[in-house]
Amino acid sequence: DSGVTQTPKHLITATGQRVTLRCSPRSGDLSVYWYQQSLDQGLQFLIQYYNGEERAKGNILERFSAQQFPDLHSELNLSSLELGDSALYFCASSVTDTGNYEQYFGPGTRLTVT
Amino acid sequence: GNSVTQMEGPVTLSEEAFLTINCTYTATGYPSLFWYVQYPGEGLQLLLKATKADDKGSNKGFEATYRKETTSFHLEKGSVQVSDSAVYFCALRFPGYSTLTFGKGTMLLVSP
Repeated sequence: DSGVTQTPKHLITATGQRVTLRCSPRSGDLSVYWYQQSLDQGLQFLIQYYNGEERAKGNILERFSAQQFPDLHSELNLSSLELGDSALYFCASSVTDTGNYEQYFGPGTRLTVT
Repeated sequence: GNSVTQMEGPVTLSEEAFLTINCTYTATGYPSLFWYVQYPGEGLQLLLKATKADDKGSNKGFEATYRKETTSFHLEKGSVQVSDSAVYFCALRFPGYSTLTFGKGTMLLVSP
């Protein structure tokens, strides 16, 4: 158990809908990362937050957004969903926002868009 | 841009066989290199890492050596077990940055 929790575990929804994925980092970790894992694209970095502020952006679509709240949990919002958004979404956390600390990954949320 | 290329899987081995999973990278500068493992139904776990050329990372019988001249970080294990069946990801990260760039992953299946 990494200490990172993600809810829900599974989500099935229809095209055009909007969903919110939630992540709680390990106790004491200030930085949260979101990744998307799909069969064709592999594991891709989406976005990073550190202590409530956006720190880095990767291949995140404009239909997706995220935020980190004062209690440090983070939410990833996916809107106008398409079939191609079906994937595993992982959250990871680390102590700080520089490169010297390990990222701990949650178990993921499996999103299925039908 | 920066990228990581891994051998395609699945890699299918019998228990106690020797394992090699190839990983090469393209990057400007000198990144740190990592191997992560994802067991079925779980998130990724750091397996080992190396931060500079000729460093060898090792953990749980797995090893990988940072080869700058060949831009490679191949994962090896002398004798695999059924419990090693998982997906293995090679990744890189630059000093001062925390975001990881991953390869596509290689599935390893070990049969008794």
